[in-house]
Amino acid sequence: NAGVMQNPRHLVRRRGQEARLRCSPMKGHSHVYWYRQLPEEGLKFMVYLQKENIIDESGMPKERFSAEFPKEGPSILRIQQVVRGDSAAYFCASSPPGRFNEKLFFGSGTQLSVL
Amino acid sequence: GENVGLHLPTLSVQEGDNSIINCAYSNSASDYFIWYKQESGKGPQFIIDIRSNMDKRQGQRVTVLLNKTVKHLSLQIAATQPGDSAVYFCAETLDNNNDMRFGAGTRLTVKP
Repeated sequence: NAGVMQNPRHLVRRRGQEARLRCSPMKGHSHVYWYRQLPEEGLKFMVYLQKENIIDESGMPKERFSAEFPKEGPSILRIQQVVRGDSAAYFCASSPPGRFNEKLFFGSGTQLSVL
Repeated sequence: GENVGLHLPTLSVQEGDNSIINCAYSNSASDYFIWYKQESGKGPQFIIDIRSNMDKRQGQRVTVLLNKTVKHLSLQIAATQPGDSAVYFCAETLDNNNDMRFGAGTRLTVKP
């Protein structure tokens, strides 16, 4: 049973470009969460999704950031017109149905570097 | 605002000794707590959890203690090994809240 898969592991973008981060949850998991982590800091909640639904995006910046979890395929975190302050590690986590927000299983993250 | 904080940002222990990592939380309504271990370049890994109706829970070599009176959470690692070297985060949440809040983390270094 493969774990949470994130790709790419490292993503380099220039200011103004778009960044797309992908996350495939563990098999059988229907809840996906995205977190952002700055160096030497804890993880900050961004968004919680279920298939085809955004449940809670209270941690997402109002502009330039969006997330989706389509019926088929991975969850996508999209950052438009990236700025240097977007540089961080972005982690995706998943949990199974019925175990809402418990024992999140994390991927290895995508390290976004904005030049 | 309410947040999860840690008493010690770094902790260095000798291999074989016991480690204690502490965490303070301020949201008295939080009812579910988790400890995560994060190794360099990896995502957080679940270690152990505890609900607010408990004050102690044991796992393999790890014990979590919850003191709701003083809003304090601790992680005890018995016979610490070099492989335990990592950053440890406590996280709190409410059952009906999507926002699992993480503390800043404690870096544990195990000396051989």
